[in-house]
Amino acid sequence: QKEVEQNSGPLSVPEGAIASLNCTYSDRGSQSFFWYRQYSGKSPELIMFIYSNGDKEDGRFTAQLNKASQYVSLLIRDSQPSDSATYLCAVIGEGSGGSNYKLTFGKGTLLTVNP
Amino acid sequence: DTGVSQDPRHKITKRGQNVTFRCDPISEHNRLYWYRQTLGQGPEFLTYFQNEAQLEKSRLLSDRFSAERPKGSFSTLEIQRTEQGDSAMYLCASSLHWRSRDEQFFGPGTRLTVL
Repeated sequence: QKEVEQNSGPLSVPEGAIASLNCTYSDRGSQSFFWYRQYSGKSPELIMFIYSNGDKEDGRFTAQLNKASQYVSLLIRDSQPSDSATYLCAVIGEGSGGSNYKLTFGKGTLLTVNP
Repeated sequence: DTGVSQDPRHKITKRGQNVTFRCDPISEHNRLYWYRQTLGQGPEFLTYFQNEAQLEKSRLLSDRFSAERPKGSFSTLEIQRTEQGDSAMYLCASSLHWRSRDEQFFGPGTRLTVL
């Protein structure tokens, strides 16, 4: 069974610090990796996606992918109280018929940014 | 508003009743997905449409569940003879699949409570 593992947290950081969120996945054939932010009672919001090894930066967010180690991370620089949410790591593996489409999610990491 | 929309946002029903949810994807997206999320878990894949064709159903989707996407536009998810275990957030997502890229955007979800 294909799995995505995340520390459930909570991860607590002070305002202005760097928050580091980590994720490992079991399906070595996975090609697409996503980070979603989910506020309590709301639906997941796509904040980052990465397809190639290395780093991808978008504003205060940096996604890092290491396919050899089957590891993906999300760094949030200058963390703000509004970043407090659950962060979901998701991976697309290979679906039936060779078509990639199905997101497999981790359980999420709860991040709290303290003012 | 050009995002994914879902209706209703909340549904309370009694055990044994049938319920139907609707999802309107982002207009140019060719793929539509249904996921289910329970408290403390990441979303779990239920089913997927490429245009109007339903290409996979998860084992989570018992024969009480049926989904349609007539004419490749909006989709409906029906649950017959609801059970208390069906209580969850039902999430719809859509994507534009192109060159192995498949960023999925979620709607606000329908929260189902079965009494």
